[in-house]
Amino acid sequence: AQKVTQAQTEISVVEKEDVTLDCVYETRDTTYYLFWYKQPPSGELVFLIRRNSFDEQNEISGRYSWNFQKSTSSFNFTITASQVVDSAVYFCALSEARRGAQKLVFGQGTRLTINP
Amino acid sequence: DTGVSQDPRHKITKRGQNVTFRCDPISEHNRLYWYRQTLGQGPEFLTYFQNEAQLEKSRLLSDRFSAERPKGSFSTLEIQRTEQGDSAMYLCASNPNRSRADTQYFGPGTRLTVL
Repeated sequence: AQKVTQAQTEISVVEKEDVTLDCVYETRDTTYYLFWYKQPPSGELVFLIRRNSFDEQNEISGRYSWNFQKSTSSFNFTITASQVVDSAVYFCALSEARRGAQKLVFGQGTRLTINP
Repeated sequence: DTGVSQDPRHKITKRGQNVTFRCDPISEHNRLYWYRQTLGQGPEFLTYFQNEAQLEKSRLLSDRFSAERPKGSFSTLEIQRTEQGDSAMYLCASNPNRSRADTQYFGPGTRLTVL
């Protein structure tokens, strides 16, 4: 069965600090996709990144970076030089490619608070 | 490009009443998904449509829940005889289904409160 675990329920840091959000997943499939979404107080889930299981290259987008390690089944997300606007709940999600629904299985989320 | 829209954004109802939510996906996205998110949890899959066909339903979707997508465009989710446990955020998402890697884009959600 698929499972996503985000062990950090809440993280609070001071602005400009770097912060890493952890994500560990379980799946029996060899082909799957991993996602990160951001949920600000308004409630809408905002897509941040998608990574497929065959691509273990790390990715950087501005202050955001993602570290995918298949050996440890982890897909961690780092925000460098955090800003107050980064405050939100962040979700990691998994989709198994061979299943027809492509439904997303989400972790419980990490509430990130950036204090000025 | 218009995103996924949902209506209403908030709904307060009394236990036992019926409620209906609407989702308008991104234009030309043929897959539409419904998820439910309770407080402090991640979204959970409820059901999805490919065009007008409902292809999978979660065990979370009890007999009191029904979803439709009659013309393959907008979708409705109805809950009959609401219970307090139905209080949650109901999220809709869509994707173009060009490949298995397609990203789901979410609407702002409908927050349901059952008194």
